[in-house]
Amino acid sequence: EDKVVQSPLSLVVHEGDTVTLNCSYEVTNFRSLLWYKQEKKAPTFLFMLTSSGIEKKSGRLSSILDKKELFSILNITATQTGDSAVYLCAVVGWDDKIIFGKGTRLHILP
Amino acid sequence: DTGVSQDPRHKITKRGQNVTFRCDPISEHNRLYWYRQTLGQGPEFLTYFQNEAQLEKSRLLSDRFSAERPKGSFSTLEIQRTEQGDSAMYLCASSRPQMNTEAFFGQGTRLTVV
Repeated sequence: EDKVVQSPLSLVVHEGDTVTLNCSYEVTNFRSLLWYKQEKKAPTFLFMLTSSGIEKKSGRLSSILDKKELFSILNITATQTGDSAVYLCAVVGWDDKIIFGKGTRLHILP
Repeated sequence: DTGVSQDPRHKITKRGQNVTFRCDPISEHNRLYWYRQTLGQGPEFLTYFQNEAQLEKSRLLSDRFSAERPKGSFSTLEIQRTEQGDSAMYLCASSRPQMNTEAFFGQGTRLTVV
């Protein structure tokens, strides 16, 4: 069965630190990998990754995919308290089915 | 606002009652997804549609759950004979098919079964 595993499940760091969130997957018909940020209600989209080795960047956030080793990482540099959230990784198959991991709960201490 | 809309936002029901939730996707999006999310967990896949066709329903889903998308636009999720374990956030998302784009989420319906 398809699955997405995120680690760590929870992380507490101080403002200004850099964090790396991990996502590994086992999917039979992989098409793309998605990262979302969830604060209170609806997940909001961060990145879509389809090709190995190509970094996506948005401000202090960046992400990269390794399709050979079946994982992705999400980096956040110079963290701020507003980065506190649950970060969700999801995998999209060629049938467009989207499977999520359990998420990483990130808490930034001021 | 042309985002994904869910109604109601909150629902409190007594155990054993039936509840129905509605999701209006973004207008040009053919794919529609339902997820359930409990505290500390990621969204759990329930079912998804391509237009009016239900493509897959989670094997973990009880027969008390049913979803429809009769005209390929809005969708409803019904839970019959609710149980306390059904208490969760129910999220709807939509996307354009075969376009390799992300899914956009609604604000969710929070169900509390008492």
